[in-house]
Amino acid sequence: DTAVSQTPKYLVTQMGNDKSIKCEQNLGHDTMYWYKQDSKKFLKIMFSYNNKELIINETVPNRFSPKSPDKAHLNLHINSLELGDSAVYFCASSTYRAGELFFGEGSRLTVL
Amino acid sequence: DAKTTQPPSMDCAEGRAANLPCNHSTISGNEYVYWYRQIHSQGPQYIIHGLKNNETNEMASLIITEDRKSSTLILPHATLRDTAVYYCIVRVAEFGNEKLTFGTGTRLTIIP
Repeated sequence: DTAVSQTPKYLVTQMGNDKSIKCEQNLGHDTMYWYKQDSKKFLKIMFSYNNKELIINETVPNRFSPKSPDKAHLNLHINSLELGDSAVYFCASSTYRAGELFFGEGSRLTVL
Repeated sequence: DAKTTQPPSMDCAEGRAANLPCNHSTISGNEYVYWYRQIHSQGPQYIIHGLKNNETNEMASLIITEDRKSSTLILPHATLRDTAVYYCIVRVAEFGNEKLTFGTGTRLTIIP
């Protein structure tokens, strides 16, 4: 059973399009995250949600809109995609304030 | 969060102990040391964490110096599957700051 699963694993799209990445965790955790890893392999947090409430928003453009319908799901919607959005996006989950995060396998987004 | 410094790369022979150093000279009293690794392009994987005492689990041991300004992650019997980028992270758990800040890490290569 996959603990943190993301779909799709690969996504290739044109500039200006809108796309979504879905994340689900079956660990019973109450906190979920989105991290972005760029071409230089730097891994940076974008958002975190605790029990569907936004906790962290790390100066991400408002074209990125996370949505948490329940505490097991955290989806990432991106509007008006730009070349610089090309990256691997990782979803993660944990219990609140714990540093042990469980990451998904990543979703590789390529914007052409 | 305190900054960490790690060597960019290291090699270790298969079957030997891999010792990965990390400097965190500005660490404060309520900050924990966490270690994660990322194998190829998979999601980061939690390894171990500690505050001031040495810690051991099924994956590794963590040795923290008495002044807490540095630590060493030890993989006791390295295998080829331990080839990965290893991240040392210093983190304080406080409301609004439940995030992990990844640095550039150490690329560990296990040599057959």
